[in-house]
Amino acid sequence: EAGVVQSPRYKIIEKKQPVAFWCNPISGHNTLYWYLQNLGQGPELLIRYENEEAVDDSQLPKDRFSAERLKGVDSTLKIQPAELGDSAVYLCASSRGGVRTGELFFGEGSRLTVL
Amino acid sequence: AQSVTQLGSHVSVSEGALVLLRCNYSSSVPPYLFWYVQYPNQGLQLLLKYTSAATLVKGINGFEAEFKKSETSFHLTKPSAHMSDAAEYFCAVGNQGGKLIFGQGTELSVKP
Repeated sequence: EAGVVQSPRYKIIEKKQPVAFWCNPISGHNTLYWYLQNLGQGPELLIRYENEEAVDDSQLPKDRFSAERLKGVDSTLKIQPAELGDSAVYLCASSRGGVRTGELFFGEGSRLTVL
Repeated sequence: AQSVTQLGSHVSVSEGALVLLRCNYSSSVPPYLFWYVQYPNQGLQLLLKYTSAATLVKGINGFEAEFKKSETSFHLTKPSAHMSDAAEYFCAVGNQGGKLIFGQGTELSVKP
C-alpha cells in the first residue's frame, strides 16, 4: 500500500512569491490533515478535511493561505504571498475515520524556505 | 481545551539504558493519546496509541507507555536503548471531534 505522497519535498522561493504544495493521501482515507511544523516544534494543525469538506480550518491564516480537496482525494495547500515567517515544513496526513478509529499516516513533508 | 506538555526538550541516554520520555496532558474528556516518532527529514510514524482499552500500551520497536489518569500522564519507556532509537518523539492528544494536538517534542540521543 502506497503511503501519503507529498510534493515538492523542498521549495525555495523569495518573499511575496506564491507557492503550492500537493498531497495524495492513502487510498480510502477520508480524513486529510495539513500540519505546519516549525524547526524544533511539534506539528500544528492548519486544516482538516472530512472527504471534501473542511471541518476545522480555525488555525489557517486565511488572508494568505488557502486549501482545497476536490473530489475528496488529493489536496493542495497554497500560500500567496509567502512571508519570511512561512519557512517551515508542511506535513500532510491522512486517516480512515480520524483519531477515534486509528492512527494518522504522515507524508515526508514539504520543506519551504522563504528568502 | 486540550493540551500536551512534554518535559524535557532533549534527553540523552547510553546504549542499553532505560529510556523514559515524559508526557502530561490536559483534557476535560477521556482522551485518545498517541506517541509518534520522527526521524530526520521524514514524516511522523505512530509508535503506539491509547484509546481507553488497556492502560499499559505496547508499541513498535520495544516501546510502551502507561496511561495514568490520576497523574494525567502518558510517559513513554523502553527498557534498553538502541542507537537506532535516536530521533524526535512527539506525544499527542486527540478528542472525539477528531482534532490531534501535538506536544513540543523530545529529542532522544543515544550514546555508544
